[in-house]
Amino acid sequence: AQSVAQPEDQVNVAEGNPLTVKCTYSVSGNPYLFWYVQYPNRGLQFLLKYITGDNLVKGSYGFEAEFNKSQTSFHLKKPSALVSDSALYFCAKDAGNMLTFGGGTRLMVKP
Amino acid sequence: SQTIHQWPATLVQPVGSPLSLECTVEGTSNPNLYWYRQAAGRGLQLLFYSVGIGQISSEVPQNLSASRPQDRQFILSSKKLLLSDSGFYLCAWQERDRYEQYFGPGTRLTVT
Repeated sequence: AQSVAQPEDQVNVAEGNPLTVKCTYSVSGNPYLFWYVQYPNRGLQFLLKYITGDNLVKGSYGFEAEFNKSQTSFHLKKPSALVSDSALYFCAKDAGNMLTFGGGTRLMVKP
Repeated sequence: SQTIHQWPATLVQPVGSPLSLECTVEGTSNPNLYWYRQAAGRGLQLLFYSVGIGQISSEVPQNLSASRPQDRQFILSSKKLLLSDSGFYLCAWQERDRYEQYFGPGTRLTVT
């Protein structure tokens, strides 16, 4: 079965420090991978996607993600975290007409 | 540009009452449409998806149903709500030749 894993329920980082939110996926052909962000009581916002091409994908709000085929990972990164980045982050993988989502990681950026 | 609407934003309903949540998309044609439920502010559960008018696929058997009466309208319904139906309901759309989904603002349902 298709699966996406986010091994950390919560990530804490100080403002200005780099952040990484981890995601791994089950192998099945060429994966199409996505990151979303959710602020409290809001819908999910699309951040970025990997379909093909460069392994480093740039997205909204200064976020980027690195596709690593050998490690089956797609970690979300940002060089310098902001307090306003505090939110719930979801990794997802295309599964035909659907997306399979990870369980989510809560990012807390402290001033 | 495309936009997605959901209403109502919040809803409090007694157990056993009916439910109707509506989702509409503007600025696109023939999208794939999805209903998700999110419990306890964490994981997403796909409930239904639709690839066209009148075409509904159910991912989780339960007392909910979905309908797509028009190309850009997706409705989630129940005849009798259960306490366990409480949650945050999200509608999403996807263009046919793309892979990412775009989400609506959500409906917070509390069943009392």
